[in-house]
Amino acid sequence: KNQVEQSPQSLIILEGKNCTLQCNYTVSPFSNLRWYKQDTGRGPVSLTIMTFSENTKSNGRYTATLDADTKQSSLHITASQLSDSASYICVVSASTNAGKSTFGDGTTLTVKP
Amino acid sequence: GAGVSQTPSNKVTEKGKYVELRCDPISGHTALYWYRQSLGQGPEFLIYFQGTGAADDSGLPNDRFFAVRPEGSVSTLKIQRTERGDSAVYLCASSLGAGGIWDEQFFGPGTRLTVL
Repeated sequence: KNQVEQSPQSLIILEGKNCTLQCNYTVSPFSNLRWYKQDTGRGPVSLTIMTFSENTKSNGRYTATLDADTKQSSLHITASQLSDSASYICVVSASTNAGKSTFGDGTTLTVKP
Repeated sequence: GAGVSQTPSNKVTEKGKYVELRCDPISGHTALYWYRQSLGQGPEFLIYFQGTGAADDSGLPNDRFFAVRPEGSVSTLKIQRTERGDSAVYLCASSLGAGGIWDEQFFGPGTRLTVL
C-alpha cells in the first residue's frame, strides 16, 4: 500500500531560525514528489516538485531534497518568517496512476516572534 | 478565472439531508480532483476526472457519494443521506492534464461541510 509519513507532526520555532521537515514514502513506482504549503482555511499551494533524478531544488528560502534510494525527502526552511506558519504537506505520485497522488498528513509549523 | 473556486464556502446541514458542492476549475484545465480533509490530516483522494469522465473514483467512501462533470468544466460533488462523519473540508483541484510529471494541481479554498 502506498503511504507517506511526515515528521514531526508539529513544530514551533522562533522567527529567523531554520528548520527541516521530513517525509518518508513507500509509493512505487515513483514518479515525483511535491511539497505543498497550506495556510489555515486555504487550499494547498505547491512549493517544489522533485523527480527521480533530482537531489535538491530550491525555491527562495525553501530547499527540498530527495533520496530516491532510501525513499526520503526533506524540506528545509531558512530564516523563517511569521508568514511561514502553515501546514506543509508531502505528496508523492506513482508513475502508474499520476492522477491519484498519496498525501501525507502534514507538519504544522508555527513561527513565533 | 484567476483560480479554482468552490461554492459554498461553508455548508451546514442536518443528518440525512442531501448536499451538493460545486467546483469551478481553472479555464482550460482538463483534469479535476475532489479531496476530503479532516482536521489535522492531509487531503484524502475521492475522485478525479479527465474531461467529462471519472478516470478514478476509487476514493469515494460509499454509494452515498457521487460526482459529475457533464461538460468537462464545472463539477458537482453530491452527498446523499448525510452523516455526521461526512463533516470535513472538501477540496477541489484542477490541472492542465493528469498524466504528466509537470501537471501541478491547483487547489480551491474548499467547502467546509458540517453535518449536525
